[in-house]
Amino acid sequence: GQQVMQIPQYQHVQEGEDFTTYCNSSTTLSNIQWYKQRPGGHPVFLIQLVKSGEVKKQKRLTFQFGEAKKNSSLHITATQTTDVGTYFCADNTGKLIFGQGTTLQVKP
Amino acid sequence: DAGVTQSPTHLIKTRGQQVTLRCSPISGHKSVSWYQQVLGQGPQFIFQYYEKEERGRGNFPDRFSARQFPNYSSELNVNALLLGDSALYLCASSGSPGETQYFGPGTRLLVL
Repeated sequence: GQQVMQIPQYQHVQEGEDFTTYCNSSTTLSNIQWYKQRPGGHPVFLIQLVKSGEVKKQKRLTFQFGEAKKNSSLHITATQTTDVGTYFCADNTGKLIFGQGTTLQVKP
Repeated sequence: DAGVTQSPTHLIKTRGQQVTLRCSPISGHKSVSWYQQVLGQGPQFIFQYYEKEERGRGNFPDRFSARQFPNYSSELNVNALLLGDSALYLCASSGSPGETQYFGPGTRLLVL
């Protein structure tokens, strides 16, 4: 079945450094949704990307959808301790197919 | 408006028992999906219901079943519990399949 791969699995950064997580698929993605899950919490919807090459920004977060719709990325500029959590990408085919997630730790 | 609600929040069962988890969607949402999240992994799709009809089923054994009620709330049933069923069970609602899904707080199930 379809798989969505996400790297890295873990990332430790110093507060103020940037962070990027990458999402890849061997097949064309329908549309990509990004979620954030805080420790002990549940996935919270961040954004949806639909169009090839689409770029969306939310304050310090930048989301990109690849031209071939086979990859996506989330970049956080100048991380803060409030950014701690696990970031998931998910292909929305009606059901969500999640990547394994990238867990971000931020050292103050 | 209230978000997706789930009950109970936590549950402890023993092997072989049966469990029923409940979910109420966001008001106006007619689609409910269930996901299983094992520690350290991404959520795995179990079921999707829309307008009381099953619209999709993931790769889970027949011990897992679900239904949706006329008020669009939903129940997930798991029979003959195994240790490996220990997980966070998430419910998500959307207006219709394909729209953005919003997750509830989940039910943490521990099978001993």
